[in-house]
Order: sequence, then structure tokens, then C-alpha cells
Amino acid sequence: GENVEQHPSTLSVQEGDSAVIKCTYSDSASNYFPWYKQELGKGPQLIIDIRSNVGEKKDQRIAVTLNKTAKHFSLHITETQPEDSAVYFCAVLFGTASKLTFGTGTRLQVTL
Amino acid sequence: DAGVTQSPTHLIKTRGQHVTLRCSPISGHKSVSWYQQVLGQGPQFIFQYYEKEERGRGNFPDRFSARQFPNYSSELNVNALLLGDSALYLCASSYDRQYFGPGTRLLVL
Repeated sequence: GENVEQHPSTLSVQEGDSAVIKCTYSDSASNYFPWYKQELGKGPQLIIDIRSNVGEKKDQRIAVTLNKTAKHFSLHITETQPEDSAVYFCAVLFGTASKLTFGTGTRLQVTL
Repeated sequence: DAGVTQSPTHLIKTRGQHVTLRCSPISGHKSVSWYQQVLGQGPQFIFQYYEKEERGRGNFPDRFSARQFPNYSSELNVNALLLGDSALYLCASSYDRQYFGPGTRLLVL
């Protein structure tokens, strides 16, 4: 069945350092991989996504890399800031319906 | 443009009751999906609707149902509420990407 594993579950970095969150998935036919940021009391916010025909995508301090052969993708945040503190979820689109399967989340804490 | 809106923001019900949650998608989006997010976990897919037709259903009991209206807004209905239905219910609107609303927090006592 569909399975998405996400690591680490918690991550603490100092302001200015980089943060990396990794996800693996089970279905090799998957072709869309978004990342969401969820702040306390809010819905998930789409921050970046990548499709299977691309290996890397960057948007300012945020980048996502995809290795389809190994079935894993990663979120990279550079020059972290306190406002980056939140829970981050990876997700994978399985099948023909718009069904996203989410990872278990990573709580990122950026300390001063 | 307004984002995805959901109502109500919070709701308290007792076991056995019925609840209706509402969602208005981003203008121009014809697809709406519903997710349940239990505290400390990622969202779990419940339903997807496109052009008023159900296009996908997750592993949820028949107590959960939904529909989409001609204006693409949607309702999620849950019957015979259980304590375990307490969660944040999220609506996502999509064209080529899914954008989530703020959610409705349901507490079942």
C-alpha cells in the first residue's frame, strides 16, 4: 500500500544554519511531491513542490531534491530564521485521484 | 484572491450526534478534497470531489459522507460521532496543486 516515511521527527537548529528533512515513499509510479508547513492552529501551507520529471527545484532559501530511483526526496532550508519554526510535512500523490499521502511530520525549532 | 475558507472554525459535539462542515474553494478551483488530521499526525485523506462527482475515498467508515455543490463548495457530514472523530478537518482546493484551508477543529465529548 501507499507509505511515506519522514525523518527526523524533531529537528533543532541554530538561526542561520541549514535544515534538511527527508522522506521516502513506496509507489514508484508517484509523480508529484509537495511540502507543507503547518504553524500552530493553522492549516498546512504549500511551500514548495516537485514533479517527477525534475531532480531539483529551488525557491529562495528553500529547495527540494528528488531521487526517483531511490524513491526519496528531501527539503532543504538554508539560512534558517525563527519564523521557519513549524511542523513540516512531506506528501506524495498516489494514483489518479488527488489523494495526498502525508508523512508523519517534522517539528523544526530554530533557536537564536 | 481569497483562499480556501472553512466553517465553523471550532465545534463541540457529543457522542452520537451529527456534524456538517463546510468549505469554499479558491475561485476557479473545481476540485475539493477533505482530510482528517488527528493531533500529532499528518492529514489523512477522506474524500475528493471534482465537478460534483466523488473521485476518491479514503479508508473511513460510511458514517462519513460529502457532497459538492454547483458553485464547487462542499460539505462533509459525519454521523453517529465517536470520541475518536475529534480532530482538525481540513479542506483542500485544487487546480494543479492542493491548497488547504484553516480547518475546523471538532471536539467530540
